[in-house]
Amino acid sequence: SQQGEEDPQALSIQEGENATMNCSYKTSINNLQWYRQNSGRGLVHLILIRSNEREKHSGRLRVTLDTSKKSSSLLITASRAADTASYFCATDLNTDKLIFGTGTRLQVFP
Amino acid sequence: KAGVTQTPRYLIKTRGQQVTLSCSPISGHRSVSWYQQTPGQGLQFLFEYFSETQRNKGNFPGRFSGRQFSNSRSEMNVSTLELGDSALYLCASSLAETDTQYFGPGTRLTVL
Repeated sequence: SQQGEEDPQALSIQEGENATMNCSYKTSINNLQWYRQNSGRGLVHLILIRSNEREKHSGRLRVTLDTSKKSSSLLITASRAADTASYFCATDLNTDKLIFGTGTRLQVFP
Repeated sequence: KAGVTQTPRYLIKTRGQQVTLSCSPISGHRSVSWYQQTPGQGLQFLFEYFSETQRNKGNFPGRFSGRQFSNSRSEMNVSTLELGDSALYLCASSLAETDTQYFGPGTRLTVL
């Protein structure tokens, strides 16, 4: 079963706009990670945020974590066509077993 | 540093056959995890190995098995293939427990 639910399931925006994806999970976590997947290929790690962190930045990415609400959000600023992909959140429970969310399909139109 | 490699990239098998998939982790990484991705079930954890020992196992039937060698390379085996085993199988490696996992490109298995 999946720990995370992502919202929205699909998102379409124009280049230059910001994209926000949300992830909710069910149990306490050690950390939360975001991954990107292009067209059924391998997953690319984007960012890891630990349970004692509230916000983290990496380039055009901003991730927030609210452990009291068991939720996280990924913001991609100034989106580009190359950002078109599926985005997944993944949580771990103090092991290497990642539990993935259902994913958000992002389409960025030029 | 080379990334995680998986072989083969594509595989077509028929029902009842068995298949072995291979994963070479990033050099120095001792933990290898396997995941199955299907349109219906999404990404699901299969198992995880560290120093040749299986540490975690997902909720899959016994037809799915794996092992890890002393050089950290890992293999997973699926016996008596079923149509529902058609999926993208992803391998990931990490330095240690709870570290970032780095994924390979996957093996796309089609069962006819």
